[in-house]
Amino acid sequence: QKEVEQNSGPLSVPEGAIASLNCTYSDRGSQSFFWYRQYSGKSPELIMFIYSNGDKEDGRFTAQLNKASQYVSLLIRDSQPSDSATYLCAVNEDDKIIFGKGTRLHILP
Amino acid sequence: DAGVIQSPRHEVTEMGQEVTLRCKPISGHNSLFWYRQTMMRGLELLIYFNNNVPIDDSGMPEDRFSAKMPNASFSTLKIQPSEPRDSAVYFCASSLVGTSGGQITYEQYFGPGTRLTVT
Repeated sequence: QKEVEQNSGPLSVPEGAIASLNCTYSDRGSQSFFWYRQYSGKSPELIMFIYSNGDKEDGRFTAQLNKASQYVSLLIRDSQPSDSATYLCAVNEDDKIIFGKGTRLHILP
Repeated sequence: DAGVIQSPRHEVTEMGQEVTLRCKPISGHNSLFWYRQTMMRGLELLIYFNNNVPIDDSGMPEDRFSAKMPNASFSTLKIQPSEPRDSAVYFCASSLVGTSGGQITYEQYFGPGTRLTVT
């Protein structure tokens, strides 16, 4: 069974610090990697996607991909209380996407 | 763009009743996905369609669940008969599966979900 693993948290980070969220996946054939943010009671919202090894930056968010280690991470710089949410890592398996169970992030004011 | 539209937003029904959930994908998207989310199991893919054709329904829990996509702008997920263990949030998502710079793209966008409670 192909899996996407995340630490469930909660991960507590002081406001203004860097939050680091990690994800490992089992399918070596995966080519596409996604990070979704889900606020309590809301639907998942796509915030980052990355297809190639290395880093991709978008504002305060940086996604990092290491295919050799089957590892993808999300860094959030200058963390804000509004970043408090559950972050879901997702990886493609053929034409569908497999989601991890998510990491709860809590930004401490 | 209105995004993915789902109805109803909340549904409370009694065990044994039929439940129908509806979804309108983003215009122009060619793939549609139905997910179920619970605290215990997280986000589970139930079924997905590509160009209105069901591609993979291996996540459908049992024969009580069925899904249709009669055209590119509408899909339904039906549970008959419903059971208390079906209580969950059901999400519909759509994507435009294509290529960009040689890379196959799969970005999915979710609807607001339907919170189903079966008593």
